[in-house]
Amino acid sequence: EAQVTQNPRYLITVTGKKLTVTCSQNMNHEYMSWYRQDPGLGLRQIYYSMNVEVTDKGDVPEGYKVSRKEKRNFPLILESPSPNQTSLYFCASKPTGEETQYFGPGTRLLVL
Amino acid sequence: QKEVEQNSGPLSVPEGAIASLNCTYSDRVSQSFFWYRQYSGKSPELIMSIYSNGDKEDGRFTAQLNKASQYVSLLIRDSQPSDSATYLCAVNPNSGNTPLVFGKGTRLSVIA
Repeated sequence: EAQVTQNPRYLITVTGKKLTVTCSQNMNHEYMSWYRQDPGLGLRQIYYSMNVEVTDKGDVPEGYKVSRKEKRNFPLILESPSPNQTSLYFCASKPTGEETQYFGPGTRLLVL
Repeated sequence: QKEVEQNSGPLSVPEGAIASLNCTYSDRVSQSFFWYRQYSGKSPELIMSIYSNGDKEDGRFTAQLNKASQYVSLLIRDSQPSDSATYLCAVNPNSGNTPLVFGKGTRLSVIA
């Protein structure tokens, strides 16, 4: 089944404890992206990647890192999480030249 | 700053009625327009895309685009309680792999 998977789906952590949220897609898509969604603010893009080893900042990159060593994986790294990073995170992917994005199921993060 | 504006709602309509969701965008050169449906706690799901002026129909859904007025809308005919969700308008300011700009969404409630 073609899909985007994210792990973990739910995470509670404490300020300053490094964490990684994984994202994987099995559709051979070149483009992958991370969003956060907050009440009243909508979906905001954190980082995106056009292809392996190519990443770019989105609208709200501060406090986040990403890497794209393989086409299928695009992990989101929070080196030192803070409470303002409490949010619902979505990974998405799409093939080059198409505009339909396929979203993962989301990861709900709470930083205490 | 490219912006996509939506009325946050909630928009309440009775079952069987037509629901009309509206979206305006700031970047006049925007090329592609999308409507996503998002159920509470779930990931966004693409329901319509539109690229040229006029109407595009798909089942009970009709997307309308007016580039001169920088306005895109979604009509849902014969609204059902299962249509109750948040509807996100998204705009691609250029083409291809440029990041989508999302509106904050309109919450629709269909009352049985």
